[in-house]
Parts: sequence; structure tokens; C-alpha cells
Amino acid sequence: EPEVTQTPSHQVTQMGQEVILRCVPISNHLYFYWYRQILGQKVEFLVSFYNNEISEKSEIFDDQFSVERPDGSNFTLKIRSTKLEDSAMYFCASSERPSGLAGQGQETQYFGPGTRLLVL
Amino acid sequence: ILNVEQSPQSLHVQEGDSTNFTCSFPSSNFYALHWYRWETAKSPEALFVMTLNGDEKKKGRISATLNTKEGYSYLYIKGSQPEDSATYLCAFLAGGTSYGKLTFGQGTILTVHP
Repeated sequence: EPEVTQTPSHQVTQMGQEVILRCVPISNHLYFYWYRQILGQKVEFLVSFYNNEISEKSEIFDDQFSVERPDGSNFTLKIRSTKLEDSAMYFCASSERPSGLAGQGQETQYFGPGTRLLVL
Repeated sequence: ILNVEQSPQSLHVQEGDSTNFTCSFPSSNFYALHWYRWETAKSPEALFVMTLNGDEKKKGRISATLNTKEGYSYLYIKGSQPEDSATYLCAFLAGGTSYGKLTFGQGTILTVHP
């Protein structure tokens, strides 16, 4: 069964360093998402992406964050200068069609296993 | 700010017990309610996407109901097995121009004891 994959599974970095988290969405999916879960908190939305553009982003997704689809298979989240509070589990998700537009209410988002980021 | 709450926070049951837990969400601007099952170190697994008031969906021993007017969904597990042990997450999708922004509850951690 097709699945979303993410690399690395764990990453430790120093504060101020740049990190790139990588995701390979399901191959025929066109809509991509990043979420994160800080330990002990709820999973929270970061950004949605379609057709090489950000569709929607949360207030968390500031100028330190960027997303890219550098080729036909990968989807990346870059954090330019990590802060201690960026430590979290980062999840990538994908869907075949948009989850929120008219007529697409049934659309499932498929999640990867996450990358645990620890900023020291 | 949308508020999605799940209860209880955690639940311990014996193998064979049936159990249920609740997801509360805003009753206005509803578009869909997603349920996920998440085992540690694995991907959250999609269980159901529910869109219509009164919806009832079933997958094996797991079923879910939806009440959009009062803003809640129940997840039921019949005859719990140890392999059902996981965190169960619900996520609310608002209507309008949301491009798939899911708002999650905090999850219910289920432990099924043999």
C-alpha cells in the first residue's frame, strides 16, 4: 500500500542551525501539508502546498520556515535558524485532492511517521 | 481560535471490553471530522472522514458517529484487543476557504490490557 515516508526519523541540531526535513508523498497526490506536535501539546497545522505554491499557512509558519517541492517526488520543510522551541515531531501529509474545498470533504490526508527534531 | 477537545485523555480497559471516547468541536462552520489511530513510531492511520450530520461509519470493530449540530463525535471500539492500544486523534476541518487545515484534539490514549 502506498505510504508517505519521511527522513530522517530523528535529527538533533544546535540552536541557530538550518535544518531540512524531507518527505516523499504518495505518488499521485497533489496536495501536501506539514504539521508538528510539540511534546505534550496538540498536533498543529503549519502549511499546505499545491502547484508549487503555499495554499495556506498558520501563524507559526513565519519567515524562518519555507517549503519546497524540489523535484517530482520530494517535499521539504526548511527551518533557517532553529530555536529551542522548534523542538517537536514534524509530520508530512498528502492528499490526492484538497481536503477543504467544495466537494472534497471526504478527502483523507495520509500522514508520514514523522521526524523528531531536537534543538539544543 | 478553533477548539477541539477529546475525552478522556487516557483510558485503560481489559481485553474484550467495549469502549468509547468523545471528540468535541465547533458546531458552526463545520466541514468534516477526521479520526486517526496513531501507534508510537508509526504513521497516524486514517480511520474515518465524516461529513454529514448523523453519519455513522464502521471499520471492523471500530465505529464512529457524528453530530454536527451539537458538535461532537463518538468513537466506539467493540471487544477491545491489545493491538487496539494507540492514541486516537480527531481533527476538525472548517468550511470556507480552508485548504486542508486540520485542527486536532489532544488525543485519547487507549491501553488494552490482556
